[in-house]
Amino acid sequence: AQSVSQHNHHVILSEAASLELGCNYSYGGTVNLFWYVQYPGQHLQLLLKYFSGDPLVKGIKGFEAEFIKSKFSFNLRKPSVQWSDTAEYFCAVSAGGSYIPTFGRGTSLIVHP
Amino acid sequence: ETGVTQTPRHLVMGMTNKKSLKCEQHLGHNAMYWYKQSAKKPLELMFVYNFKEQTENNSVPSRFSPECPNSSHLFLHLHTLQPEDSALYLCASSQDLVDETQYFGPGTRLLVL
Repeated sequence: AQSVSQHNHHVILSEAASLELGCNYSYGGTVNLFWYVQYPGQHLQLLLKYFSGDPLVKGIKGFEAEFIKSKFSFNLRKPSVQWSDTAEYFCAVSAGGSYIPTFGRGTSLIVHP
Repeated sequence: ETGVTQTPRHLVMGMTNKKSLKCEQHLGHNAMYWYKQSAKKPLELMFVYNFKEQTENNSVPSRFSPECPNSSHLFLHLHTLQPEDSALYLCASSQDLVDETQYFGPGTRLLVL
């Protein structure tokens, strides 16, 4: 079974700082990759996803993620964070014959104004 | 608002109570999911339904009993729960199992005393 690792459990940044959240997975075959975000008091929502094609994926609110197959990684980036980006970020991977995504533990991001 | 609603939003129950969680999706999706979100743990998939048929039971204890009367509604019946079952229970839906983008509801915060 695949596993998903998010190494940064808590990240604290100041506004305008650059962000990179790590996501690594353990499956060697074809994968579909997702980043979900959960703002305080709100539901989980899709930030971006990769199924195929350009490995650099652009999502909502200025976020992007790059799929690097050789590193089994799908890191999330944003060049300049805002206070409103404070949220919990979840990486998810579905692989092979399993159509159900496996979620990472999540990374809590706090952005100070 | 994602088109997935859950009721109640908060629930406190004793270990001998029986209660039910309700999920409704207004998106015309065919697949619905129950997840458990506990502090400091990855999102745990519990059940998957596709076209009203259960396709996945992720080794969930029998004190949790799902029901899917139609593609728009999903229930989670609870009885004789334990305090460790206290968590946020999330419902999600997707167009089908191939299109894996999931749309989440706001969750039911459950406290078992």
